[in-house]
Amino acid sequence: GENVEQHPSTLSVQEGDSAVIKCTYSDSASNYFPWYKQELGKGPQLIIDIRSNVGEKKDQRIAVTLNKTAKHFSLHITETQPEDSAVYFCAASKDRGSTLGRLYFGRGTQLTVWP
Amino acid sequence: EAGVAQSPRYKIIEKRQSVAFWCNPISGHATLYWYQQILGQGPKLLIQFQNNGVVDDSQLPKDRFSAERLKGVDSTLKIQPAKLEDSAVYLCASSLGAGGLREQYFGPGTRLTVT
Repeated sequence: GENVEQHPSTLSVQEGDSAVIKCTYSDSASNYFPWYKQELGKGPQLIIDIRSNVGEKKDQRIAVTLNKTAKHFSLHITETQPEDSAVYFCAASKDRGSTLGRLYFGRGTQLTVWP
Repeated sequence: EAGVAQSPRYKIIEKRQSVAFWCNPISGHATLYWYQQILGQGPKLLIQFQNNGVVDDSQLPKDRFSAERLKGVDSTLKIQPAKLEDSAVYLCASSLGAGGLREQYFGPGTRLTVT
């Protein structure tokens, strides 16, 4: 099955700096890569996603890049703010086969933004 | 629109006891997922329903875990008997459909502690 690795496990940045979280996946058939933000006591919330036919996607301060050849994708947050502090998860999924729609999650990155 | 509802939010039981969790997905969402999130890890899929049929339960420990989705709406997840390693947050998610890789919306989760 799919294996998603995520780094780093913790990340501390100063307010206004950029933060980058990287993930790799093993199954070349995976074609959907969402990123979730999880705040304490809450369920994961989708913040951005990318499909395998796109190399980069941006939404205000958040961007995601995908390299299908190398099987890795990254989350970039610019101009970080204290409210960005949370655990971020990358995930991979595919739209065919017996595991249709199943999300495989990384282990998460605890992001702390210091004011 | 109302989000995914789960209850209870917290549950403490002793090992070998039984416990049940309830989930009400977003109205109109055909696909429902139950995930297990152990502390410090990403969510792991336990079971996926499409309407009231099981699509994927390959990672459900069927000797102790069971789930049902009557009438294709609400769902319950049961553990009987519970073990210490079942301590985790149990997340319910729903999406419009698994095909086409639709966004999964997560509930707040039920935190289970087995003593």
